[in-house]
Amino acid sequence: AQSVTQLDSHVSVSEGTPVLLRCNYSSSYSPSLFWYVQHPNKGLQLLLKYTSAATLVKGINGFEAEFKKSETSFHLTKPSAHMSDAAEYFCVVTTFSGGYNKLIFGAGTRLAVHP
Amino acid sequence: SAVISQKPSRDICQRGTSLTIQCQVDSQVTMMFWYRQQPGQSLTLIATANQGSEATYESGFVIDKFPISRPNLTFSTLTVSNMSPEDSSIYLCSVVGGGRGIGETQYFGPGTRLLVL
Repeated sequence: AQSVTQLDSHVSVSEGTPVLLRCNYSSSYSPSLFWYVQHPNKGLQLLLKYTSAATLVKGINGFEAEFKKSETSFHLTKPSAHMSDAAEYFCVVTTFSGGYNKLIFGAGTRLAVHP
Repeated sequence: SAVISQKPSRDICQRGTSLTIQCQVDSQVTMMFWYRQQPGQSLTLIATANQGSEATYESGFVIDKFPISRPNLTFSTLTVSNMSPEDSSIYLCSVVGGGRGIGETQYFGPGTRLLVL
């Protein structure tokens, strides 16, 4: 069965410092993986996705993630945090069941960015 | 990408009543999904709604509590029936952006914030 584990429920960084949000996955086949962001009182926005092409995936707003099969990880990084990055981030794995793809969400990581 | 709108954006309801949430998409889509996000929690899939067929519910969700309609390829409704405070959540609809493959992106509506008193 597919699953994702976000290793940190809260991450706090200073503005201008790197961001690392960790995600491990479990999959019985080659997975598709996503990162979504949810700003306070806003909907979910896709940051990036991995679908078995390049292992280093670049997304919006300077975020990127690297798929590491040997480590079953898909960590999200950004070189320099901005105040506007403060939000909830969800790592998501897709499972194909019943003829369609279902999203399985991690528990989420709340990112706080301090001046 | 798909543009999705939901109505209402938020509501406060009394226990025992029902609320119907609407989801409108700007393009025709085969599959629509309904999710629940309880306070401080992640998202959980309630059901998948295909046009012209009965919705498929996930474990822990039943049609009597969350009836879904899917009258055409751009619209769906989710009803939260006989509400209790435990139903206070954000309800989101989503669609797959073309195709049915496992890597297809799902796009989400802005959500409906429901508070049950």
